[in-house]
This record gives sequence, structure tokens and C-alpha cells, in this order.
Amino acid sequence: DGGITQSPKYLFRKEGQNVTLSCEQNLNHDAMYWYRQDPGQGLRLIYYSQIVNDFQKGDIAEGYSVSREKKESFPLTVTSAQKNPTAFYLCASGRDRVLVAGELFFGEGSRLTVL
Amino acid sequence: AQSVTQLDSHVSVSEGTPVLLRCNYSSSYSPSLFWYVQHPNKGLQLLLKYTSAATLVKGINGFEAEFKKSETSFHLTKPSAHMSDAAEYFCVVSDYNQGGKLIFGQGTELSVKP
Repeated sequence: DGGITQSPKYLFRKEGQNVTLSCEQNLNHDAMYWYRQDPGQGLRLIYYSQIVNDFQKGDIAEGYSVSREKKESFPLTVTSAQKNPTAFYLCASGRDRVLVAGELFFGEGSRLTVL
Repeated sequence: AQSVTQLDSHVSVSEGTPVLLRCNYSSSYSPSLFWYVQHPNKGLQLLLKYTSAATLVKGINGFEAEFKKSETSFHLTKPSAHMSDAAEYFCVVSDYNQGGKLIFGQGTELSVKP
């Protein structure tokens, strides 16, 4: 079935460690996105990519990094520079190359807890 | 800048009664508006979208929303709640000033009592 796969679903990290969250899609979508979700808040955009080998910062990119070496894959690294990394992270993809209003398809999320 | 406000952080209804989730938007342009649903520990799924066609938009699972420009509202309704409707709902506006970037509301948690 077509969709977006995020892994791991749950992740625990000690302070000072970098962690990488995986996001893979088989929808043949050009655009991919990473959002952060905190309790009682909407989704906030971390990074997005419109095409392979290109990505742009979103609203809260500090302390995060991404790569887009393949169309299907858009991994997110949460670095030790991220001051408050405990959150639910959602990856999404969209048909459109630009941030044009259209349906986003979401993965099931990765919950990161810093101990 | 465009923005969206969900007027209730939590709504509780009984099964079989109507659902109303309220959303107001702020936009300088004719906006594109969306409602997404998120079940616990899951990703978001599109319920419906308004993109300047009919003002009454029908979505999945019996939900619908009406775009009212004079009231800058896009409230989500369903005639009869089902237990499976319990989830968090997000109202979303597309910000044309930022290349169509999606601006999410803070969410409304819907509880359905048996």
C-alpha cells in the first residue's frame, strides 16, 4: 500500500545525543515536510523539501538538520543543540513542489523523549 | 499574515448528538481552508477542504463545513456523533503570502460519551 512510514515510533534519548528519525514515502511525491507537535499546540514546521537535494528551513529549524538524497527519503536529525526536543514528530508529503494548498499525507509519527 | 483560531480546546458530546467545532480565520485573500483529524498517537488525515468553490463542503465520515466570508468562519459539523469520531481536529489555512504554507490551529479535542 502507498503511504508514509516513520520510524522508530518511540525513541528515548539522553541529553547531549543526536538522534535521527526516519521518513520514507512511496507515493512518488516531490514535496516532504517535518512538523513538530507539542500538547495543546498546532503543528509547527521544522523543515521542508520540494525536490531532491534541496530543502528549506521552516519556522523552528534551530537544532534540527535534514537531508534529501533520494525522493523517497527525508530523515530528520535532532541534534544536541535543540533545547527542548521532547515532542511528537510528524513527517508528511504532498504532490505539489511548492507549498501550495493541497492535501498533505502524514506518517504515524515518532515520539521522542529526552531523559 | 493569515491565521486561524479554534475557539474551543475541548468539546464533549453524547453519541448520536450533533457535533460543532468552531474555527475563525484571518486572511487578506480568499483563503484555502482545511480540516484535518488526528486519532491518538497517529498522523493527521484530511477531512475536507475549501478552495473557493461551493461554500458548503462535504468531507469524509459524514462531516461538513461551511465557509462564511462575512463571519470569517469555517465551522465543522456532523449531524450525529459516533464513538469513533473521538479525536483531535485541526483547522488549517493556507497562507498565500508564504507560498501557500499551511498554518495550523491549536486543535480541538472531541470526546464522545456513550
